[in-house]
Amino acid sequence: DTGVSQDPRHKITKRGQNVTFRCDPISEHNRLYWYRQTLGQGPEFLTYFQNEAQLEKSRLLSDRFSAERPKGSFSTLEIQRTEQGDSAMYLCASSLSAGQGAGANVLTFGAGSRLTVL
Amino acid sequence: TQLLEQSPQFLSIQEGENLTVYCNSSSVFSSLQWYRQEPGEGPVLLVTVVTGGEVKKLKRLTFQFGDARKDSSLHITAAQTGDTGLYLCAGAQDMRFGAGTRLTVKP
Repeated sequence: DTGVSQDPRHKITKRGQNVTFRCDPISEHNRLYWYRQTLGQGPEFLTYFQNEAQLEKSRLLSDRFSAERPKGSFSTLEIQRTEQGDSAMYLCASSLSAGQGAGANVLTFGAGSRLTVL
Repeated sequence: TQLLEQSPQFLSIQEGENLTVYCNSSSVFSSLQWYRQEPGEGPVLLVTVVTGGEVKKLKRLTFQFGDARKDSSLHITAAQTGDTGLYLCAGAQDMRFGAGTRLTVKP
């Protein structure tokens, strides 16, 4: 397994456009998390999945953001009608849930997708 | 959601110095994690602390979990330039992070 992969690594878009990010987690991990990180700050929780079920979504997440994990493997994060305030690094992480073995609740992160909205 | 406050926000020291960074909350945590993030990469787990009063060592890094499990500290002995990075603490159940301490170790 090559770890957590995110695509694209960089995306520059104009305000109002839609963007989609993809995350391929570690194959045996049943949990997948999305975070947003701005310069100098820690990762801000957006949402997480256990298998294909979206179990929690941050109240800070507007309706323009949607995430899916249709088959419990890869996930997509879509931002509709992007705004300049959406410019950030979007990080994906995966883990095993509690009771699933050694390494449960240990996040493995991808390198992130950096979004710039002009 | 359990909020984590990290201090200091920034720390710049010379190579060879010792330092301590802190992670505090008003909530009790069943366990806490420390991660380090380098520029252009995602955070990488350093340690998980579970038991109140626990001390874990990772080479020159010493992690302590408070007796009441509301706070944790990370002490680095004889810092090296390779220790430069963003140090983050997170609750190991809700996976929420603090804002981090950005450490710069100058040669």
